[in-house]
Amino acid sequence: ETGVTQSPTHLIKTRGQQVTLRCSSQSGHNTVSWYQQALGQGPQFIFQYYREEENGRGNFPPRFSGLQFPNYSSELNVNALELDDSALYLCASSWDQETQYFGPGTRLLVL
Amino acid sequence: AQSVTQPDIHITVSEGASLELRCNYSYGATPYLFWYVQSPGQGLQLLLKYFSGDTLVQGIKGFEAEFKRSQSSFNLRKPSVHWSDAAEYFCAVGAGTSGTYKYIFGTGTRLKVLA
Repeated sequence: ETGVTQSPTHLIKTRGQQVTLRCSSQSGHNTVSWYQQALGQGPQFIFQYYREEENGRGNFPPRFSGLQFPNYSSELNVNALELDDSALYLCASSWDQETQYFGPGTRLLVL
Repeated sequence: AQSVTQPDIHITVSEGASLELRCNYSYGATPYLFWYVQSPGQGLQLLLKYFSGDTLVQGIKGFEAEFKRSQSSFNLRKPSVHWSDAAEYFCAVGAGTSGTYKYIFGTGTRLKVLA
């Protein structure tokens, strides 16, 4: 059984650009949640996808968007990048809404 | 409002000493509570969780936590710390709102272990 995987591991972008981060959920999991972890902070909930539909959103602007695919993998898209978007982005998968298992994260640096 | 507080930003202990990391939560209903550990540059690894039942829960790596409803606390303990336990520890509450189940995390406690 493979765990949650994320790609890429690191990414450098400039302000105004767009970025797509990818997440493969753990086998058998149908729910994916995305979190943003700024330096020195705890993770903050961005949004959740359940069976390909957005199932709740945290306090993030619409330029943060996502997708979930039929195999339950997911993408996080961020448009018009800002310096404050620099963070570790964590994906977590779960079966329905039980315990969430996290991937290693993608570290995004916006210059 | 739902929140998690970890009062200690940094804790330093000697190897072999006991450890207690504090976590207080604010949540209107019966909480689901979690402790995760994060090593530098890594994602979050689940140490243990509390959903219901016995208020003392055992986790991996020799950790345990005790849920105290009267104190709104879920403190993490380990009787004897190993150098490999040096990492950042996050407490989280699982919050369900309008069909969405998300985690609310504390700001973390960074543990340093002295040889």
